[in-house]
Amino acid sequence: AAGVIQSPRHLIKEKRETATLKCYPIPRHDTVYWYQQGPGQDPQFLISFYEKMQSDKGSIPDRFSAQQFSDYHSELNMSSLELGDSALYFCASSLGQVRTQYFGPGTRLTVL
Amino acid sequence: EDKVVQSPLSLVVHEGDTVTLNCSYEVTNFRSLLWYKQEKKAPTFLFMLTSSGIEKKSGRLSSILDKKELSSILNITATQTGDSAIYLCAVGTQGGSEKLVFGKGTKLTVNP
Repeated sequence: AAGVIQSPRHLIKEKRETATLKCYPIPRHDTVYWYQQGPGQDPQFLISFYEKMQSDKGSIPDRFSAQQFSDYHSELNMSSLELGDSALYFCASSLGQVRTQYFGPGTRLTVL
Repeated sequence: EDKVVQSPLSLVVHEGDTVTLNCSYEVTNFRSLLWYKQEKKAPTFLFMLTSSGIEKKSGRLSSILDKKELSSILNITATQTGDSAIYLCAVGTQGGSEKLVFGKGTKLTVNP
């Protein structure tokens, strides 16, 4: 069965650079969530979208923005990267806003 | 502030043992409780619990929710080395979409 696809899988950037992470949800899923998992930490909710509209917002820095496109894929844009942004970024998708979230493989971002 | 607490943080057992992992929560607007298994990649969905007292089973794994005690347990019987992973408990809270609040996880190591 098709799963959530994230790209790239690994990304190395320098401080103050920008990065764009992409997420392709499971086909027919209309809700996308972004989570950040720091080393040895539990995943922290960043932001979610339902039907291309922002649905909920968590601990997402102002330097980050995200959107969901007409084909339901989502992009997380990160600017002025800081060392502390180094983490695993997971995208999850669900069919509807209160259904089980299925996670993608994550993008490991390293900021040097 | 929403909080999910898991115990123990780490557990080492021998193959064939039975383990019980605990999760307690303090959240406003509880909607559901989910268990995920995380190896070196994305959290893999195990169970979603919304009703108190109804056990969910999948092979050697089972879980139950106690809304009165604000807690859940995950049982694994006849453990195998392949069960070694971090088990994450997450609580879905009501909002626009169901953002998940994660516990720090229980690291289970099953030795042969």
